[in-house]
Amino acid sequence: ETGVTQSPTHLIKTRGQQVTLRCSSQSGHNTVSWYQQALGQGPQFIFQYYREEENGRGNFPPRFSGLQFPNYSSELNVNALELDDSALYLCASSLGGLAGAYEQYFGPGTRLTVT
Amino acid sequence: TQLLEQSPQFLSIQEGENLTVYCNSSSVFSSLQWYRQEPGEGPVLLVTVVTGGEVKKLKRLTFQFGDARKDSSLHITAAQPGDTGLYLCAERDNNAGNMLTFGGGTRLMVKP
Repeated sequence: ETGVTQSPTHLIKTRGQQVTLRCSSQSGHNTVSWYQQALGQGPQFIFQYYREEENGRGNFPPRFSGLQFPNYSSELNVNALELDDSALYLCASSLGGLAGAYEQYFGPGTRLTVT
Repeated sequence: TQLLEQSPQFLSIQEGENLTVYCNSSSVFSSLQWYRQEPGEGPVLLVTVVTGGEVKKLKRLTFQFGDARKDSSLHITAAQPGDTGLYLCAERDNNAGNMLTFGGGTRLMVKP
């Protein structure tokens, strides 16, 4: 069974640029959640995708957007990058999506640095 | 929005010592999870507690959920260097896509 994978591992971008981060969910999982973890803090929920539809969103501006594909892999896109967007971006996959006690399994994250 | 406070923020101890870290909330948890995160890795689930007063053990780790379901503690007995990491508590909202709200974490270092 393959776990959650994310790419790239590290990324350096300049303020104002756009970035796309990718996540492959664990085999059999149909739900992907994205989190932002700033240095020294706990992860913050960005949004979740369930069967290719956005299923909930945290307190992040519209320049944070996402996609989920038919194979349940997912992308996180961030436009107009700001210095404060520098963080570890974590993807987590799970079963379900609307209700029920399903566990989330995290990938290793993508470290984004905005200069 | 649920606010989770973890204490202490940092803890540095010697191998063999015992320790307790805490997670407190401004309101009642629906269910609470503890995770450990090592550098360069995502959080790994340690335990889920649901019932007030619940106690769960995982080898040298003991997790307790407060009777009122607004607080939780993690106790480690005879800490080892392998226990080093960031310990995060999180509320899981079972009725909102299992979305997780995390605390700020306790960074533990166990010195040999």
